[in-house]
This record gives sequence, structure tokens and C-alpha cells, in this order.
Amino acid sequence: EPEVTQTPSHQVTQMGQEVILRCVPISNHLYFYWYRQILGQKVEFLVSFYNNEISEKSEIFDDQFSVERPDGSNFTLKIRSTKLEDSAMYFCASSQVAEDTQYFGPGTRLTVL
Amino acid sequence: RKEVEQDPGPFNVPEGATVAFNCTYSNSASQSFFWYRQDCRKEPKLLMSVYSSGNEDGRFTAQLNRASQYISLLIRDSKLSDSATYLCAEDTGFQKLVFGTGTRLLVSP
Repeated sequence: EPEVTQTPSHQVTQMGQEVILRCVPISNHLYFYWYRQILGQKVEFLVSFYNNEISEKSEIFDDQFSVERPDGSNFTLKIRSTKLEDSAMYFCASSQVAEDTQYFGPGTRLTVL
Repeated sequence: RKEVEQDPGPFNVPEGATVAFNCTYSNSASQSFFWYRQDCRKEPKLLMSVYSSGNEDGRFTAQLNRASQYISLLIRDSKLSDSATYLCAEDTGFQKLVFGTGTRLLVSP
């Protein structure tokens, strides 16, 4: 069964550093998403992406964040200058069409020191 | 008002019990709803989509009540392996899911 994959599984970084989180969505899916979950809190939407542009973003997704689909398979989330409060699980998801079931990857645990 | 609300629990039930969770939502225009299961420090995994007519998958039944703006999940004959956090999610139609905080279920022998 096709699945969303994410790398790395755990990323540790120093405050102020840039990080890039990588995702490979399910191959025939057209919509891609990033969510995050701070430990003990709910899953929060960050951004959705379709047809090589951002469709929707939350207020969390400020100028420090960016997304890119650099090739036909990868979907990345970049945080330019990490803060302590960026420490969280970051989940990538994809869906075949809008408002369809979203399938989540295993997540990247980001720890900012 | 929070967009999606769930009782955080935990719900402690013995094996074989029937347990039900509710989830309320505030956006009356939302069309799609989902139940996800999340194990500790893992990703949400789709359990069921929730349709207006209700739907059943084995021991799991989901219902949507548009008039009262809530969805429900019923688990029959609980197994130890059902212990997890159950997340309800609303698709607002803007290509994003809004999740509740989750309801924690603990099934004991």
C-alpha cells in the first residue's frame, strides 16, 4: 500500500539555524500539506500546496516558513531561523483531490536547542 | 468558540465494552469529517470518513448529526489494541483539516 514518507525521523538543531524537512507524498496525489503537533497538544494545520503554489496557510506559517516541490516527488518544509517554540512533530500529508482523505507520513521530530 | 471540541478523557473501559465518543464542530458549512487514530508519538492514521448517512466498519460506527453539529464514534467489543487517542477532524473546505484535541481511550484486561 502506498504511503507518505518523511525524512529525517528526528532532527536536532540549534536555535537560529535553518532546517529542511522532507516528504515524499503518495505518487498519484495532487494536494500536499504540512501539519505540526507540539508535545501534548493537538495537530495544527500549517499549509496546503497544490499545482506548485500555496493554497492555504495558517497564521503559524509566517515568513520563517516556506514550502517547495523541487522535483516530481519531494515536498519540503523549510524553517529559516528556528526558535525554541518550533520544537514539535511535523507531519506531511497528501490527498488525491481537495476535501478527500488526507494520509499522513510518520513525522519528523524537530528539537530546537 | 473552539472549532472542534472533544472530551480529552481518558476513557477507561474493560475489554469487550462498548464506548462512544462525541466531537462537536462550529462550522456549519463543513462537508467532510473524519476520525483518525493516533498512537503515542505516531502519525494520525485514518480510521473512518464520516458520511451523512453514517457508516460502519466492523466494530466501528461513525455518525454525523448536522442539526446539532456533532459527529460520533462508537466502538463495540473493545480490544486492548484499541487503546489510543481518537482524533476527530473537520475539513473546512479550504484544503485544511481542523483537528480536535483527541480523546484518549484505555482498554484494560
